[in-house]
Amino acid sequence: EAQLEESGGGLVQPGRSLRLSCAASGFVFSSHEMSWVRQAPGKGLEWVAYISETGSPVRYADSAEGRFTISRDNAKNSLFLQMHDLRGEDTAVYYCAREKEVTGDFDLWGPGTLVTVSS
Amino acid sequence: DIQMIQSPSSLSASVGDRVTITCRTSQSIKTYLNWYQQKRGEAPKLLIYATYSLPRGVPSRFSGSGSGTDFTLTISSLQLEDFATYYCQQTFSTPPWYIFGQGTRLEIK
Repeated sequence: EAQLEESGGGLVQPGRSLRLSCAASGFVFSSHEMSWVRQAPGKGLEWVAYISETGSPVRYADSAEGRFTISRDNAKNSLFLQMHDLRGEDTAVYYCAREKEVTGDFDLWGPGTLVTVSS
Repeated sequence: DIQMIQSPSSLSASVGDRVTITCRTSQSIKTYLNWYQQKRGEAPKLLIYATYSLPRGVPSRFSGSGSGTDFTLTISSLQLEDFATYYCQQTFSTPPWYIFGQGTRLEIK
């Protein structure tokens, strides 16, 4: 069964950094583009970052550009999101999502990991 | 940049009702429009992709239509398990890339 599992969330102070991971299993990870999507408490879904199957190109939402870096390790079936200079507005559940070829929809999601930015 | 407007933001309906949610974009995205269902405390789930197509396991009471800038999600006969929040998403190849609509919260009347 195809699965995604995020980890690395937690409480972090404003201005600090955090690295999220997403472990993939049950499918050929290296064949899929991947994204991170976040959801602030009580709010809607916000796409954050995208990475191609090979690791390049990458794309970012304006809110993530310059502070977040998406990367992947296909040998370890893992996706990452390095976040720097965290702000209160980055508080959210962060989901990793698998993108389906051609149509680009997100057909598999992890359960999410909560990041809380607070002093 | 493409703008997306999803409406209504909330909706009250009864079991058995027919419900329609719309999504409008500021420029054509052809049929690169997807719908997701999210229940409280859970991750989103793909409901419809490429405007019309249902993933395996999604009940046939869900349907999608539209093209260009105007899209619709229809639930033909609401079931108890359908009360959730629904999001549209465009995946047309242009910034801001994979944006989501604001969401429609479907509640029991």
